[in-house]
Amino acid sequence: DVKVTQSSRYLVKRTGEKVFLECVQDMDHENMFWYRQDPGLGLRLIYFSYDVKMKEKGDIPEGYSVSREKKERFSLILESASTNQTSMYLCASSLGAAGGNTEAFFGQGTRLTVV
Amino acid sequence: QKEVEQNSGPLSVPEGAIASLNCTYSDRVSQSFFWYRQYSGKSPELIMSIYSNGDKEDGRFTAQLNKASQYVSLLIRDSQPSDSATYLCAVRSNYKLTFGKGTLLTVNP
Repeated sequence: DVKVTQSSRYLVKRTGEKVFLECVQDMDHENMFWYRQDPGLGLRLIYFSYDVKMKEKGDIPEGYSVSREKKERFSLILESASTNQTSMYLCASSLGAAGGNTEAFFGQGTRLTVV
Repeated sequence: QKEVEQNSGPLSVPEGAIASLNCTYSDRVSQSFFWYRQYSGKSPELIMSIYSNGDKEDGRFTAQLNKASQYVSLLIRDSQPSDSATYLCAVRSNYKLTFGKGTLLTVNP
């Protein structure tokens, strides 16, 4: 079974802190994604990566950056946390190149609260 | 610019009825289409994937795709209370996977 593991289930950080959210997958997937999920707004794509060291902006990249130094690990970085970044963050991974007919598998989510 | 739109819901159906969920997308070069189910407090899990025009059936679930109309739907037959969840439509264009806001479905016993 595919396993996508996020480093923390719950996280509380202070405004202005630099925050790292880690995601690791164990199935050698090429594609990895970071989403945030907020009530009424659904899942919104922050960044995605289709290969090591490759990254693409999603729909809401402002205030975030990412790192993919190894194929199995995709990190989301909040450069200076703000209260409007309080959210559920979901990591996902999938096989395949462009147009690949493959499903995305999700981690358990990280509930981040910025105070 | 919203790329994937779903009927807003919430949708409420009696047990045993057919639930119909709809989704439209804006990117004509989209290649793959997915329906995910998300229970409250849980992560999304895949129900169906569809890549070609027409219908695809899997048990009580049928996905329908019409690329000319940029429309994808999910029918749930013989709905059960355990089907109560938020259903998310997802569209893949090249590497990017975009989700709709989801439709909350409640199946009443």
